[in-house]
Amino acid sequence: KAGVTQTPRYLIKTRGQQVTLSCSPISGHRSVSWYQQTPGQGLQFLFEYFSETQRNKGNFPGRFSGRQFSNSRSEMNVSTLELGDSALYLCASSLLLAGGPDEQFFGPGTRLTVL
Amino acid sequence: GQQVMQIPQYQHVQEGEDFTTYCNSSTTLSNIQWYKQRPGGHPVFLIQLVKSGEVKKQKRLTFQFGEAKKNSSLHITATQTTDVGTYFCAGLRVGEYGNKLVFGAGTILRVKS
Repeated sequence: KAGVTQTPRYLIKTRGQQVTLSCSPISGHRSVSWYQQTPGQGLQFLFEYFSETQRNKGNFPGRFSGRQFSNSRSEMNVSTLELGDSALYLCASSLLLAGGPDEQFFGPGTRLTVL
Repeated sequence: GQQVMQIPQYQHVQEGEDFTTYCNSSTTLSNIQWYKQRPGGHPVFLIQLVKSGEVKKQKRLTFQFGEAKKNSSLHITATQTTDVGTYFCAGLRVGEYGNKLVFGAGTILRVKS
């Protein structure tokens, strides 16, 4: 099976711009989660999608949004970029079991730099 | 902020020494997962613990889940240079608005040969 893919791998933007990141989960996985990783804060949960519906949301401002398509591919969007948004954005897919998300399969991430 | 506390933040050990990282949650967890992230890589799943008091082993790695399901540990015996990386715990919290996987801040392990 192909792993989780994320595009683009690297991105440089300036303050005030917006950005869209894409994630293709492992075939058959319908749950997709997004995380922000920074050196000081570790892995911060952004949101989780399942069957095109946002099931969970972390404590991020409304500038961060996402969506999931019928083929389970997901995108996240960050509007009005700030310097503090510079981070590695990781997408993870999983099988959603009755008790909650199973093992997370992470993609390679998108490294976003905001200048 | 982090709802799953992980300590220590960093650990430098001599090759051959043991290493332990600990996770603590203020609330009961449904299960706990452990991940390893190599430098420049992405987190990779290691194991999941579900039962109270559960202990699992993977070669030199021993994982424990506390009796109260609020804490967990990962112990590596006789570290090797291949163990270098950041180890994350992730606790599954059942909440009013659904189940959420909450990651600890990670422990960075450096091994001196």
